[in-house]
Amino acid sequence: DTAVSQTPKYLVTQMGNDKSIKCEQNLGHDTMYWYKQDSKKFLKIMFSYNNKELIINETVPNRFSPKSPDKAHLNLHINSLELGDSAVYFCASSHKREGRNEQFFGPGTRLTVL
Amino acid sequence: SQQGEEDPQALSIQEGENATMNCSYKTSINNLQWYRQNSGRGLVHLILIRSNEREKHSGRLRVTLDTSKKSSSLLITASRAADTASYFCATPGVQALRSASKIIFGSGTRLSIRP
Repeated sequence: DTAVSQTPKYLVTQMGNDKSIKCEQNLGHDTMYWYKQDSKKFLKIMFSYNNKELIINETVPNRFSPKSPDKAHLNLHINSLELGDSAVYFCASSHKREGRNEQFFGPGTRLTVL
Repeated sequence: SQQGEEDPQALSIQEGENATMNCSYKTSINNLQWYRQNSGRGLVHLILIRSNEREKHSGRLRVTLDTSKKSSSLLITASRAADTASYFCATPGVQALRSASKIIFGSGTRLSIRP
């Protein structure tokens, strides 16, 4: 079974809409992340939660709001979608250990804003 | 900003040949990781090398780390068509000093293996 799962896999929507992407991990990890990968394949971290607490919040428009109902889930809600939000969004998880931080990635959600 | 920069950006080799990718980074690190991304998929962790290690092997993969030059290399020996993917190096971000969780990915090398 997939260790880190995301839904939906594809999302096509109009500019101005509000949408959510869901992520779940069954690895028992305590830290989860959202990344954005643009068309040039640059992968940039957006948010990180550790045990439901926000620990990383990069310079991301406040239209993006992460929500972690429990440590196995980290959802991403995006308000007022813009053309520049089109990208692939990856969820990841890891177990917080000193000196080691291998991350396990979900399959990605390809968001297309028209 | 990008911490790691991979070189080359793209590499095309014949099946059976060895592929070498390089990564340079800017700040002091306690470990460096390599990930693979197949087209349309998420990243998969390949190997982690600590700052006190100079070389590490995993199957057909060999990773080196030179902390004095702030560089790492990933060597894939006897390449196969299935090795076609993008390869990224990743280093801890500054915040990792506190949380040990943030990593920053390089720009990636696109590797194509010709049959």
